Amino acid sequence: GAGVSQSPSNKVTEKGKDVELRCDPISGHTALYWYRQSLGQGLEFLIYFQGNSAPDKSGLPSDRFSAERTGGSVSTLTIQRTQQEDSAVYLCASSLVKGGDTEAFFGQGTRLTVV
Amino acid sequence: KNEVEQSPQNLTAQEGEFITINCSYSVGISALHWLQQHPGGGIVSLFMLSSGKKKHGRLIATINIQEKHSSLHITASHPRDSAVYICASYSGGSNYKLTFGKGTLLTVNP
Repeated sequence: GAGVSQSPSNKVTEKGKDVELRCDPISGHTALYWYRQSLGQGLEFLIYFQGNSAPDKSGLPSDRFSAERTGGSVSTLTIQRTQQEDSAVYLCASSLVKGGDTEAFFGQGTRLTVV
Repeated sequence: KNEVEQSPQNLTAQEGEFITINCSYSVGISALHWLQQHPGGGIVSLFMLSSGKKKHGRLIATINIQEKHSSLHITASHPRDSAVYICASYSGGSNYKLTFGKGTLLTVNP
């Protein structure tokens, strides 16, 4: 596609439910990143994929968070048993090659609200 | 641990004014990114630089590696420039994480 696409754009869920957030990176981009932006906070790194593997999962805040990427393309971030503190904007970015010295392209984000 | 600090946190300007947003980081880096986030959350990458200066339209980004400091300048500011501007640093190595500043909220009044 022309840009990084995320869905849904907004998600309201009840505390305790599981949610899945989807990211479609730019075609051909091998690197994919998930970030979280909580209200009033800066962006926080969650996880990074190179192809289908995730060399760095250190940013995932708890074991309720998991992510996968299939076919070197679409990625899904899953949050199990959601809590109110999970409410945030979840942003996905992709880049042509791995490395923080490569330009990254961001999606519009998914705004998650846990009630 | 790399810390990234931006100043000011909030900036209000009149249309046409020259804007400067500053970013300081605490450890040596391989690259620094400037990002723009409009209301609604979408982020656009403005610049990625590792030395010197880059210019794109009315936007100019500079970096001083020795002083661990970068600036984003906007010339002839316009209300459509109103957004949050975020700097993010990459320290290199196998850790591909960016470290983000908290952002500067710019409001340009007509």
